[in-house]
Amino acid sequence: NAGVMQNPRHLVRRRGQEARLRCSPMKGHSHVYWYRQLPEEGLKFMVYLQKENIIDESGMPKERFSAEFPKEGPSILRIQQVVRGDSAAYFCASSWYSQQETQYFGPGTRLLVL
Amino acid sequence: AQKVTQAQTEISVVEKEDVTLDCVYETRDTTYYLFWYKQPPSGELVFLIRRNSFDEQNEISGRYSWNFQKSTSSFNFTITASQVVDSAVYFCALSGTGANSKLTFGKGITLSVRP
Repeated sequence: NAGVMQNPRHLVRRRGQEARLRCSPMKGHSHVYWYRQLPEEGLKFMVYLQKENIIDESGMPKERFSAEFPKEGPSILRIQQVVRGDSAAYFCASSWYSQQETQYFGPGTRLLVL
Repeated sequence: AQKVTQAQTEISVVEKEDVTLDCVYETRDTTYYLFWYKQPPSGELVFLIRRNSFDEQNEISGRYSWNFQKSTSSFNFTITASQVVDSAVYFCALSGTGANSKLTFGKGITLSVRP
């Protein structure tokens, strides 16, 4: 029973490029969450999605960041025109059928912006 | 607003010692959930336990035990007879329901277990 999958595990981008992070939830899970772990800042919520819907994006930066969870395929977190401050570990979590279920995390994508 | 405080930042113990990791939370919700996650040096986040606000029973799982006290808004985690493999960062987290269902994390406690 595969866990939450994230790819790539490591991503290097130059300033101004786009970063696309992918997350495949656990089988049967329909809720996806993205969190960011900045050095010295801990884990912060970014966005919560269900299939084809954004439920809560209160933690998303207003510009350059977007997320989707299409009917088919993985959830995508897109960062446009990356800056050095975007360097962080980005974690995806999924839960089963409701917001109250346990969130299981993927291994994370480490983004480095040069 | 929800808040989780892990006042301890780093703890170092010798193998076989018991260690308690503290967690204090703040929420206005009457229904909420508390979690502990472990982040070993490899970097992934491993789920350890989930507790809902209506269940104050303490829980034991092997060498791990959790003490939930609503009166003091605390959800402390004890590792008995610690081992080197317990070395990791431990996060306490809180979620509510509805609009507050996202996880709010504490800053984490770095536990080092020395042989």
